[in-house]
Amino acid sequence: EDQVTQSPEALRLQEGESSSLNCSYTVSGLRGLFWYRQDPGKGPEFLFTLYSAGEEKEKERLKATLTKKESFLHITAPKPEDSATYLCAVAYYGGATNKLIFGTGTLLAVQP
Amino acid sequence: EPEVTQTPSHQVTQMGQEVILRCVPISNHLYFYWYRQILGQKVEFLVSFYNNEISEKSEIFDDQFSVERPDGSNFTLKIRSTKLEDSAMYFCASRKGTSGFNEQFFGPGTRLTVL
Repeated sequence: EDQVTQSPEALRLQEGESSSLNCSYTVSGLRGLFWYRQDPGKGPEFLFTLYSAGEEKEKERLKATLTKKESFLHITAPKPEDSATYLCAVAYYGGATNKLIFGTGTLLAVQP
Repeated sequence: EPEVTQTPSHQVTQMGQEVILRCVPISNHLYFYWYRQILGQKVEFLVSFYNNEISEKSEIFDDQFSVERPDGSNFTLKIRSTKLEDSAMYFCASRKGTSGFNEQFFGPGTRLTVL
């Protein structure tokens, strides 16, 4: 069964304390891996798309990387406004219209 | 910047009643989706829609659910006879799909509460 697993479930950091979130996946034929940010009561906000192993994308304090089995979202010197749930999702070849399979997310809290 | 919009933001209904959730996808996008998220759980795929027909649907999307694109801008999800377990956030998403493979953009969601 295709699965997406995120760890840790929750992470508390001090402002400026860098860390990484993990997303491991078991799908046949990855077509794309996506990172989203979700604030409470809101819809997922697109951050990055990664297509192949070795690929990296950066945006401000966030950097996403991809291997054949997992992806990492690195957060460098986080600020309180980075507090949110970070969702990982995958699309795979064989799906008719690239539906996304989501993980359960990592709830990040950054304390000042 | 173009964005997906959804109405209403919150819908409260009695069990057994019909509800229609509305979405306006990004204007030049071709693929449309509905997802739902039960409180505290992961986002789950319901249905995808392309070229005025359903392309794929999940096991959740049974005969009580239907989707429609009644005009050039709106995309709706109808639940014919709501159940308590339909209470969730419902998200609409759209994808351009014109060149290569690209990301889905999500709306702010409709919170459906079934009493």
